[in-house]
Amino acid sequence: ETGVTQTPRHLVMGMTNKKSLKCEQHLGHNAMYWYKQSAKKPLELMFVYNFKEQTENNSVPSRFSPECPNSSHLFLHLHTLQPEDSALYLCASSQGTSGGFQETQYFGPGTRLLVL
Amino acid sequence: AQSVTQPDIHITVSEGASLELRCNYSYGATPYLFWYVQSPGQGLQLLLKYFSGDTLVQGIKGFEAEFKRSQSSFNLRKPSVHWSDAAEYFCAVVLGGGNTGKLIFGQGTTLQVKP
Repeated sequence: ETGVTQTPRHLVMGMTNKKSLKCEQHLGHNAMYWYKQSAKKPLELMFVYNFKEQTENNSVPSRFSPECPNSSHLFLHLHTLQPEDSALYLCASSQGTSGGFQETQYFGPGTRLLVL
Repeated sequence: AQSVTQPDIHITVSEGASLELRCNYSYGATPYLFWYVQSPGQGLQLLLKYFSGDTLVQGIKGFEAEFKRSQSSFNLRKPSVHWSDAAEYFCAVVLGGGNTGKLIFGQGTTLQVKP
């Protein structure tokens, strides 16, 4: 596989469930990102990892817990979510060598999450 | 406040017509500027970017964008639109310098192409 892949593509969960989103990049990049895309709102950056270290947490509620075991994989663990958390969650990666947002980011197709 | 504005939420053009999507930013210095496209069910794909130099930037799929400092704008253009260009387009800027700046996306413009 090439590029950035995300699984699952669709997820429905109750507010008491625990689930995880997975992102994998096959580009040899060192930086990975989680974004939230809600209807009628701009794309929101959630977390940034560079060389497996978290470098940005954009005031995300603790019910979202990221994990980056290596430079190729990024997870977003979900627990006790709210209906307003329903959105498209996008993962992206970039080279990571310059450590800044000027790098071109490559996006996965996203996971469409519905919280009931 | 620092912001990115895409004034047009939805645009409809006829196939073969020209296209211009607007993007304005509010920031004291020149930011890094990007245009991304998102087709239905897909992630975002970079069309082009501007950091410095020639203010007219060529991108993929026949798109170009022009940075105008005096207008704080970075409008995306295409001379002849194809039906496959129907998608959502996002302008994004890095405000505050590369290593410590913030990446901010506009709300997006949905492009519909009439046959």
